[in-house]
Amino acid sequence: GEDVEQSLFLSVREGDSSVINCTYTDSSSTYLYWYKQEPGAGLQLLTYIFSNMDMKQDQRLTVLLNKKDKHLSLRIADTQTGDSAIYFCAETLGGYSTLTFGKGTMLLVSP
Amino acid sequence: ETGVTQSPTHLIKTRGQQVTLRCSSQSGHNTVSWYQQALGQGPQFIFQYYREEENGRGNFPPRFSGLQFPNYSSELNVNALELDDSALYLCAFNSAGTEAFFGQGTRLTVV
Repeated sequence: GEDVEQSLFLSVREGDSSVINCTYTDSSSTYLYWYKQEPGAGLQLLTYIFSNMDMKQDQRLTVLLNKKDKHLSLRIADTQTGDSAIYFCAETLGGYSTLTFGKGTMLLVSP
Repeated sequence: ETGVTQSPTHLIKTRGQQVTLRCSSQSGHNTVSWYQQALGQGPQFIFQYYREEENGRGNFPPRFSGLQFPNYSSELNVNALELDDSALYLCAFNSAGTEAFFGQGTRLTVV
């Protein structure tokens, strides 16, 4: 099965908060990442969290990690239309730098 | 702007042909990874190169091969193209302990 799973679609109104969820299966994950991909573009790293942390906040972004449930979430405060994109959760294992990605969550922000 | 350049940006090939994709970085990062992103999917790890040697490989057949040059730039070669090879091919550079910086990708269409 998939190592990293995400819900496929989320629709919110401008100004609301968005929460994108991800589950992973490998307990030896060391870093967990959130990437953003706009249409026709590559991947932009938004934020990451080390596996021994529970929470990380970076401006409008808050990452929560529940290691027991292997659940990761990304909260975007005051969501803007420019936040519309596909968001990927990814993990690295041990000392390796290769990334395992989920299938991505499409976030649609309406005015 | 990540400083990672991929070429070409788009190309169309016929089934059975061979293709070479290129990736370079201005950053001096010495490790390069290649990913295949099929439509509607997350990126899948193909292989990684470090100091001109393959340093890890995903679940891809041998007709996917690569090179890394002394200046750390890299090529991805795919032989005997199949229709399912149509995808966005992404490369990423990093060094030990640093985040991965992605290029904008090469969109390959096999007809």
